[in-house]
Amino acid sequence: LAKTTQPISMDSYEGQEVNITCSHNNIATNDYITWYQQFPSQGPRFIIQGYKTKVTNEVASLFIPADRKSSTLSLPRVSLSDTAVYYCLPDTGTASKLTFGTGTRLQVTL
Amino acid sequence: AAGVIQSPRHLIKEKRETATLKCYPIPRHDTVYWYQQGPGQDPQFLISFYEKMQSDKGSIPDRFSAQQFSDYHSELNMSSLELGDSALYFCASRRRAGTTDTGELFFGEGSRLTVL
Repeated sequence: LAKTTQPISMDSYEGQEVNITCSHNNIATNDYITWYQQFPSQGPRFIIQGYKTKVTNEVASLFIPADRKSSTLSLPRVSLSDTAVYYCLPDTGTASKLTFGTGTRLQVTL
Repeated sequence: AAGVIQSPRHLIKEKRETATLKCYPIPRHDTVYWYQQGPGQDPQFLISFYEKMQSDKGSIPDRFSAQQFSDYHSELNMSSLELGDSALYFCASRRRAGTTDTGELFFGEGSRLTVL
């Protein structure tokens, strides 16, 4: 199973772009990179998923370089409601064991 | 749209008692996962089921057991409860990734267990 490393915490002001990088040096060939967001006392929620290069949806962008040993979640113009813990999770989409690493606690302030 | 349903939402037990948590996955989802999340901790994988068969285990104590029933709902049984079992327990379900599915996990709102 690929082990992930993320910054423990990040701070940002409202309206700024936030980039959270996840290191996954031993990612498997058939792993996708999936990012989840978790608010206090709620279950994690899917944000975005990608395999290589760049993926964008209505809430975030995901950049994955060619070697796939890291990935960067980009949140454009964050607001106070983006304050949460963010997890990257290598996943084949069929894995029976999905282990969350230490997530990144993002604090957004005015 | 239907979501993952967990019950009860809150549960208070005494040490050495037994607790049962229930999870109703989203219809047509074939895989269920259970996680334990202590205060200020990251979710810890406990156990998973695929098509009603146990498929993997994580750091689940021997005092805990789980199963998935014919209607796909799952139950996590916890016996001889300890203070350290106090946590949020999440159930997640998904339909395995295919041509039209990303295989994303859908989590329930969790069951908060307090052991006194």
